[in-house]
Amino acid sequence: DAMVIQNPRYQVTQFGKPVTLSCSQTLNHNVMYWYQQKSSQAPKLLFHYYDKDFNNEADTPDNFQSRRPNTSFCFLDIRSPGLGDAAMYLCATSKTGIEAFFGQGTRLTVV
Amino acid sequence: GNSVTQMEGPVTLSEEAFLTINCTYTATGYPSLFWYVQYPGEGLQLLLKATKADDKGSNKGFEATYRKETTSFHLEKGSVQVSDSAVYFCALSDTDSGYALNFGKGTSLLVTP
Repeated sequence: DAMVIQNPRYQVTQFGKPVTLSCSQTLNHNVMYWYQQKSSQAPKLLFHYYDKDFNNEADTPDNFQSRRPNTSFCFLDIRSPGLGDAAMYLCATSKTGIEAFFGQGTRLTVV
Repeated sequence: GNSVTQMEGPVTLSEEAFLTINCTYTATGYPSLFWYVQYPGEGLQLLLKATKADDKGSNKGFEATYRKETTSFHLEKGSVQVSDSAVYFCALSDTDSGYALNFGKGTSLLVTP
């Protein structure tokens, strides 16, 4: 059974049109992460939550926002997607820094 | 800040060859260290981990030892198989960064028959 679920698997959005990606988990892990992975590159950490504490990476553009309304759900909001934001977005969870479990990712296309 | 440096790829080996992928880290706290693997078109999977100095992580014939004195966590396998072809990422997380999990750039491995 999938433990970290990302929806949708594929998302096409228009240039400049806000888009939201979602992630849910059944593991009751306290840490949730959002990564951006471009082709043939390493996952780049955008931000993460440790419980309710939000941690934004210094180089994450303001265009990217996140919400975590409860333990199980986390959202990535891209306010005005540009062509350079086309990528795979990965959600992951961990229990206080122990093994991280990744979702299958959402591939975002910007047209 | 925390960072991970791993050897550049791609690495091409013949089946049954010995594999080493180097990884060194910089951390302010007491990190846990990980190797993740990503097969083509799939997500990341944990391969092995070590949570304190001198720990050895092992899985599926792969091993890595947490060396605090050299700040390293090199991945090794004695005899690679074609099915090991994938991208390997070294990663760390620690308490000082609120358990941010940061990855190295990845090393692509291709094993040929």
